[in-house]
Amino acid sequence: GNSVTQMEGPVTLSEEAFLTINCTYTATGYPSLFWYVQYPGEGLQLLLKATKADDKGSNKGFEATYRKETTSFHLEKGSVQVSDSAVYFCALESNYKLTFGKGTLLTVNP
Amino acid sequence: AAGVIQSPRHLIKEKRETATLKCYPIPRHDTVYWYQQGPGQDPQFLISFYEKMQSDKGSIPDRFSAQQFSDYHSELNMSSLELGDSALYFCASSSGQGRNEQFFGPGTRLTVL
Repeated sequence: GNSVTQMEGPVTLSEEAFLTINCTYTATGYPSLFWYVQYPGEGLQLLLKATKADDKGSNKGFEATYRKETTSFHLEKGSVQVSDSAVYFCALESNYKLTFGKGTLLTVNP
Repeated sequence: AAGVIQSPRHLIKEKRETATLKCYPIPRHDTVYWYQQGPGQDPQFLISFYEKMQSDKGSIPDRFSAQQFSDYHSELNMSSLELGDSALYFCASSSGQGRNEQFFGPGTRLTVL
């Protein structure tokens, strides 16, 4: 079956540090890949997505590249802010439903 | 822009009671998905509907049922509630199926005592 594995947190960084959250997936076919963000007490918001190999999704300074050869979709940001503190979920879409990773809690300190 | 609306936002029930969660999709969205997120867990797909017909089923207990109505809103009915049903229940909607983005509602937090 489909599965998503992302690096376990929590991740704690200082403001302006570089962020990487690793995500790898197992799926049949060619799924679409997503990063969702969940701020405290809120729902899931789509951060970025990529629908085919070598696509790069980007939004709000975050980016991730769909790497078919390594089945990965790592999330990166060059300079994090305190407001980026949240839980980040990597997900894949296959057969019209999403499969999520376990989530990574990011805390950014001033 | 209109978003997915879920009601109620919070619900407290006793064991063995029933609960009904409602989801109102974004206007003109015809597909609704339900997900369950346990404490500290990732969201798990429960069930989905496309054009008022069930389109897929995930790890939904037999005690739960759901439907999508003619106005495309959806209801998740949960009976014989157990402590383990305490979770955040998300509804998402999309326009059609396939690789269309799913827009999530704020969730309903169900607490079973």
